Amino acid sequence: NAGVTQTPKFRVLKTGQSMTLLCAQDMNHEYMYWYRQDPGMGLRLIHYSVGEGTTAKGEVPDGYNVSRLKKQNFLLGLESAAPSQTSVYFCASSYHYLQGSTEAFFGQGTRLTVV
Amino acid sequence: KQEVTQIPAALSVPEGENLVLNCSFTDSAIYNLQWFRQDPGKGLTSLLLIQSSQREQTSGRLNASLDKSSGRSTLYIAASQPGDSATYLCAVRRGTGGFKTIFGAGTRLFVKA
Repeated sequence: NAGVTQTPKFRVLKTGQSMTLLCAQDMNHEYMYWYRQDPGMGLRLIHYSVGEGTTAKGEVPDGYNVSRLKKQNFLLGLESAAPSQTSVYFCASSYHYLQGSTEAFFGQGTRLTVV
Repeated sequence: KQEVTQIPAALSVPEGENLVLNCSFTDSAIYNLQWFRQDPGKGLTSLLLIQSSQREQTSGRLNASLDKSSGRSTLYIAASQPGDSATYLCAVRRGTGGFKTIFGAGTRLFVKA
């Protein structure tokens, strides 16, 4: 049971570099989310998607872009990494509330360090 | 704007003690509330999910309650064990606007043997 899989698990970037984080879910979920978690804080929503081909901004979207070209994948891009983006990134997915259980499932996280 | 607060921020108890973790939220128009456990350097493990129409959920030594009208939830842990040491996160889900989940900052629990 794969559930929600994030790649990579760890990454170190230099300031100004770009990268893409991949989130894949095999549960046919409509909703997908990207969060970041900083020390002493809860998770904050970066961007989310309510279905294939749709994306929307969350609480802290600046400096990030996302794409949902396929239902099972949600990509998070950093165009020009900054030290302030050093964080642990979590992806999550869930069913649409009309489909049944609305429990959110999370990936194991990507630890990103920008130097 | 929904805000979720967890009190206390940290808690240390001796093994065997019963304890309560608190979560409060400002907007009672929630769809559900979920409690998670997070071990250091790890992802989130879902513990209990309470739908907005429910008052409580139980799983083993864990019991979570929900009082939507007062904007509160509690997670009760019975007979705590050192293996319960972790950060516990409360998260509320909106019923509109993309079904977003808003998290509290968590309670760090340490159970001493």
